[in-house]
Amino acid sequence: KAGVTQTPRYLIKTRGQQVTLSCSPISGHRSVSWYQQTPGQGLQFLFEYFSETQRNKGNFPGRFSGRQFSNSRSEMNVSTLELGDSALYLCASSLGQENEKLFFGSGTQLSVL
Amino acid sequence: AQSVTQLGSHVSVSEGALVLLRCNYSSSVPPYLFWYVQYPNQGLQLLLKYTSAATLVKGINGFEAEFKKSETSFHLTKPSAHMSDAAEYFCAVRAPGGGGFKTIFGAGTRLFVKA
Repeated sequence: KAGVTQTPRYLIKTRGQQVTLSCSPISGHRSVSWYQQTPGQGLQFLFEYFSETQRNKGNFPGRFSGRQFSNSRSEMNVSTLELGDSALYLCASSLGQENEKLFFGSGTQLSVL
Repeated sequence: AQSVTQLGSHVSVSEGALVLLRCNYSSSVPPYLFWYVQYPNQGLQLLLKYTSAATLVKGINGFEAEFKKSETSFHLTKPSAHMSDAAEYFCAVRAPGGGGFKTIFGAGTRLFVKA
């Protein structure tokens, strides 16, 4: 069974640009969560999608948005990039049940210059 | 609201020594607790999870964690550290919300293992 796939692996953008990151979950998983990881900040929860609906949202500005398609693949978009958006963005999938572990992709490393 | 606190952003041990990584949780309901590990340039992978079936949980690579409700703790231990254990470790709690569940992570503890 293929794991969680995130593309691209690395991205370099400049301030003011926008970026779209992609995540393909494990087959059969309907829940996709996104996290931002920066040194010293740990993993900050961005949002979670389940069956194409945003079910949970973290405390990030509206520049951060996402969506999920009918095949459970998810995209995350960041508009008007700022230097502080430089981070590793991790996607995780699961069935969406209660006491359940997350399966993580390797992440997209975004650098904003 | 549920949250986790990891004490110590960095822990250094000698190879063969005991590993102890601390995690305290805050939860208004019985918690679902996890430990994940992240190796350089990789995503996170599960070490172990608390299922309420037993307070002492055994995970992969010789790690285990003990759930102590009275102390609201879920500390991670390994009797003898190996060089390959050098990584970042995250304690997490799974919390209900939005009609579903979200996993909230601690800030992480980076483990260094000295030869």
